[in-house]
Amino acid sequence: EAGVAQSPRYKIIEKRQSVAFWCNPISGHATLYWYQQILGQGPKLLIQFQNNGVVDDSQLPKDRFSAERLKGVDSTLKIQPAKLEDSAVYLCASSLGSSVRTDTQYFGPGTRLTVL
Amino acid sequence: GDSVTQMEGPVTLSEEAFLTINCTYTATGYPSLFWYVQYPGEGLQLLLKATKADDKGSNKGFEATYRKETTSFHLEKGSVQVSDSAVYFCALTEGNQGGKLIFGQGTELSVKP
Repeated sequence: EAGVAQSPRYKIIEKRQSVAFWCNPISGHATLYWYQQILGQGPKLLIQFQNNGVVDDSQLPKDRFSAERLKGVDSTLKIQPAKLEDSAVYLCASSLGSSVRTDTQYFGPGTRLTVL
Repeated sequence: GDSVTQMEGPVTLSEEAFLTINCTYTATGYPSLFWYVQYPGEGLQLLLKATKADDKGSNKGFEATYRKETTSFHLEKGSVQVSDSAVYFCALTEGNQGGKLIFGQGTELSVKP
């Protein structure tokens, strides 16, 4: 079974530039998550989708971050404009969506963003 | 809000030593508990999980028991190997929060031959 795919794996940009990350979840998984992992910390949720609807975006800095999940499959996370503090690893995860409390979330390899 | 606290690292052990990584949590509801592992250069992988009190999760020689009375989910392994060197994250999901994982800060384990 193919895992969660993410691209690119690495990205270096200047502050105030824009960047986009792509995620393809495991086939059949209804729930998709984007997490931000700052060096030395645990991941923190940015946004959660159930099919193509947003379940939780309370921690998403909406003035600069946006995300969409077209047709309930692939997802794109965008940052515009980027700030130095956005330097982090952006992780995509997916789960079946049958039970939010007990489902296992499967993670992609992440995209490491460096903002200079 | 809900939170997870792990013992600070790095933890350095010799091969075949006994491992314990402490994890305690605070939750308003009834969470499921997870241990994820991140090997160097790789993504997060589920190591084990437990979804109700007194459940024991186990995998690859690692185990952890969901202790509701002490709000703990400590990770143990009887004999570590060099290949166990990684960062270990304790996490919880709570149904009222939509299923998002709340992670501890991670504990880096280094096993020396």
